[in-house]
Amino acid sequence: RKEVEQDPGPFNVPEGATVAFNCTYSNSASQSFFWYRQDCRKEPKLLMSVYSSGNEDGRFTAQLNRASQYISLLIRDSKLSDSATYLCVVNRLYRGTYKYIFGTGTRLKVLA
Amino acid sequence: EAGVAQSPRYKIIEKRQSVAFWCNPISGHATLYWYQQILGQGPKLLIQFQNNGVVDDSQLPKDRFSAERLKGVDSTLKIQPAKLEDSAVYLCASSLDLGTENYGYTFGSGTRLTVV
Repeated sequence: RKEVEQDPGPFNVPEGATVAFNCTYSNSASQSFFWYRQDCRKEPKLLMSVYSSGNEDGRFTAQLNRASQYISLLIRDSKLSDSATYLCVVNRLYRGTYKYIFGTGTRLKVLA
Repeated sequence: EAGVAQSPRYKIIEKRQSVAFWCNPISGHATLYWYQQILGQGPKLLIQFQNNGVVDDSQLPKDRFSAERLKGVDSTLKIQPAKLEDSAVYLCASSLDLGTENYGYTFGSGTRLTVV
């Protein structure tokens, strides 16, 4: 079983739709949680960190449920420019430094 | 602030040849990571350095892959000999670790390797 699991998609949604991605992690020692966005043929870039209290950045809302070891990302009012792969990332202390573990990514295509 | 620099951007080699990739992290970042990203998959950690010491190389295929970070700054990743299944993007990332906090985790643009 992978340490971070995501539904690979693809999710094809019309412009203006609301779409949600889920992610589960297996290591209870995981400390910090993130969503990264990766455009085709580009490197991953930080979209947002995920906090236990939930956090919002414009149209994007992230939630963390530590008890269920579950992370989510909600995108409201989807734009064409949101088309990308969304990577769930967890990090934890390992031998005195931080190890980042990536999910496979969920592909989103927003259709006109 | 300059980002993580990687070179080359693209490389095409024949199987059984050798190849090397270079990474220069953000100045002051003690931790450096090399990832392999195969098309359609998430990045897989190959090796992680803290300064010039190896923290984790458990997923590095040591029969053909090697990496070094001799002076605790820039790093090279080598494949010798390459196989078709090594075709992937090789990403370098760096971060600043201060006690229990981790800052500035940033990726370079990657090197796209094609083995034919």
